[in-house]
Amino acid sequence: EVHLLESGGGLVQPGGSLRLSCAASGFTFSSYAMSWVRQAPGKGLEWVAGIITSGYEGYYADSVKGRFTISRDNSKNTLYLQMNTLRAEDTAVYYCADLYHLDSDSGSRTKSGFWGQGTLVTVSS
Amino acid sequence: EIVLTQSPGTLSLSPGERASLSCRASQSVSANYLAWYQQKPGQAPRLLIYGASTRATGIPDRFSGSGSATDFTLTIGRLEPEDSAVYYCQQYGTSPPWTFGQGTKVEIK
Repeated sequence: EVHLLESGGGLVQPGGSLRLSCAASGFTFSSYAMSWVRQAPGKGLEWVAGIITSGYEGYYADSVKGRFTISRDNSKNTLYLQMNTLRAEDTAVYYCADLYHLDSDSGSRTKSGFWGQGTLVTVSS
Repeated sequence: EIVLTQSPGTLSLSPGERASLSCRASQSVSANYLAWYQQKPGQAPRLLIYGASTRATGIPDRFSGSGSATDFTLTIGRLEPEDSAVYYCQQYGTSPPWTFGQGTKVEIK
């Protein structure tokens, strides 16, 4: 059974830092590009950051570029999000999710729909 | 950056009716790498469709996706009460950021 378990959320003051983790199990984590997606209270889904299988490069939404860093440790089946210089508008539930993996036959990008349960980050003084 | 615009914002229909949700992209989505999700309150999103038209595992066949390039549609063939939710599209093509649309809320009367 597939599991994505986020941790590391909590209450932090503006300007502070947090590191989120997402522990994956039940699938070949190293074969999946992964994302962090957030949802502010009462708002829609916002893609935050993504990382390809090798972890060589991360990609970011403009709203977090320069403040957040996505990384992965394929030996530990874990995805991370380092969040620095946090702002009130970063308050949200943060989900880790699969972005895509490559179909073994066609080589095309395909999705599996793996999502964690989310972890709440609250930025407030 | 590809901007995804969903319409309508809210759809209010009766059980058994057909729902059509639109997702328009500001530029062509590579290889039609477009997914649809359903989200109910307090839950993580659930993948319905990927590759614009392929149903995810376990998704009922009343959900179907169509379209290509910049115009995509999610159709719910015969609405059931449990289909009340917010639906999002997302592009996952070769051009990050891999953005979401703003969502369409489907209400069942």
